[in-house]
Amino acid sequence: KAGVTQTPRYLIKTRGQQVTLSCSPISGHRSVSWYQQTPGQGLQFLFEYFSETQRNKGNFPGRFSGRQFSNSRSEMNVSTLELGDSALYLCASSLAGFPYEQYFGPGTRLTVT
Amino acid sequence: DAKTTQPPSMDCAEGRAANLPCNHSTISGNEYVYWYRQIHSQGPQYIIHGLKNNETNEMASLIITEDRKSSTLILPHATLRDTAVYYCIGMYSGGGADGLTFGKGTHLIIQP
Repeated sequence: KAGVTQTPRYLIKTRGQQVTLSCSPISGHRSVSWYQQTPGQGLQFLFEYFSETQRNKGNFPGRFSGRQFSNSRSEMNVSTLELGDSALYLCASSLAGFPYEQYFGPGTRLTVT
Repeated sequence: DAKTTQPPSMDCAEGRAANLPCNHSTISGNEYVYWYRQIHSQGPQYIIHGLKNNETNEMASLIITEDRKSSTLILPHATLRDTAVYYCIGMYSGGGADGLTFGKGTHLIIQP
């Protein structure tokens, strides 16, 4: 079956703008998690959505938000972009969240200038 | 979730078995041990997980010591495509409040 897809794959934005990233999970998976990966901080957990509800949240400012639709597709939004938001944003889908295995997408590479 | 300790890097010859150790001395009785890997510029990939018993799948074997304080991931016949950063993660069943906590992992380099 098809894997996790993320769009767009690459994005360049300017400081102060906002951005929306999209993630389509594996068919049948109800949990979608988002991670930020940077060379300095490594992989950091943003949040997890399950059945359209945010179930877990990492330690990120309120500029980072997300949502999940009834078909389990998820979007992540970052408002008022800062240079430090430049990163690879990864989403992972799983059958029902932890401790089930997580299947990651290829990521969206966001560059803020 | 248990703190895990892994060597920062390892080398292995192509065709040989790669044995990646992980120390998780603070792991509790209901914490699973998960292994993921990340090949450069790709998203992490699930490999295997276990609780108490040794586990094997098409990718690897996981050997957990009887006291559960350490484990070893075994790639039986390493290929160049297995060059990646390997992460050992402890996770409670039903946990995940902080998502998967990826440490620094082990950079495994398969030599031709």
